[in-house]
Amino acid sequence: SFELTQPPSVSVSPGQTARITCSADVLLNQYAHWYQQKPGQAPVLVINKDSERPSGIPERVSGSSSGTTVTLTISGVHAEDEADYYCHSSDSNGTWVFGGGTKLTVL
Amino acid sequence: QLQLQESGPGLVKPSETLSLTCTVSGGSIRNPSYFWGWIRQPPGKGLQWIGRIHHSGSTFYSASLNSRLTISVDTSKSQFSLNLRSVTAADTALYFCFSGFDGGAAYWGQGTLVRVSS
Repeated sequence: SFELTQPPSVSVSPGQTARITCSADVLLNQYAHWYQQKPGQAPVLVINKDSERPSGIPERVSGSSSGTTVTLTISGVHAEDEADYYCHSSDSNGTWVFGGGTKLTVL
Repeated sequence: QLQLQESGPGLVKPSETLSLTCTVSGGSIRNPSYFWGWIRQPPGKGLQWIGRIHHSGSTFYSASLNSRLTISVDTSKSQFSLNLRSVTAADTALYFCFSGFDGGAAYWGQGTLVRVSS
């Protein structure tokens, strides 16, 4: 299998842009997905298949992928964006792997 | 909108079997487009994928849990289940059931806390 590495924390001021990276130790040949989890709640899928926004996710949330790194970008950060974010991908055998999670703090 | 709800005991003794059920509503568990699965989160830690099952019956399990794990679907009850054998304290976690159809886990249950202790 493979590993996905995320920074433990990212801090931004309201209105700024937050970028959360997810780095794989191999070239990703499957899509990556991103989840937002607030305290005491189930995760929510915010980016599907590298860059697709599910219904109800604001346009200021976007995703991109390049080689071994995928990035979640939140433009014009709001206080409500403060949460833990997890990336997820899979290997060619269908095994899912999650990153360790990044705590986004809105200063 | 698909809705999922976990159920099962909150306390399991070491060496016994952890059994959880996820009840599906708002959609058909028979829909061939969906897959169904489980993810857990130890207290204060990140998400750990357990496994999933597809409509075809194909299962995909975490390598670290494969020898102790069974995921199955009961279409007559609109439920799918998790059975994890020979549990230890390391299996204490918040267990989520999930579903998806194209990529990631689009639908989640609220989670159920399972503690392994004598």
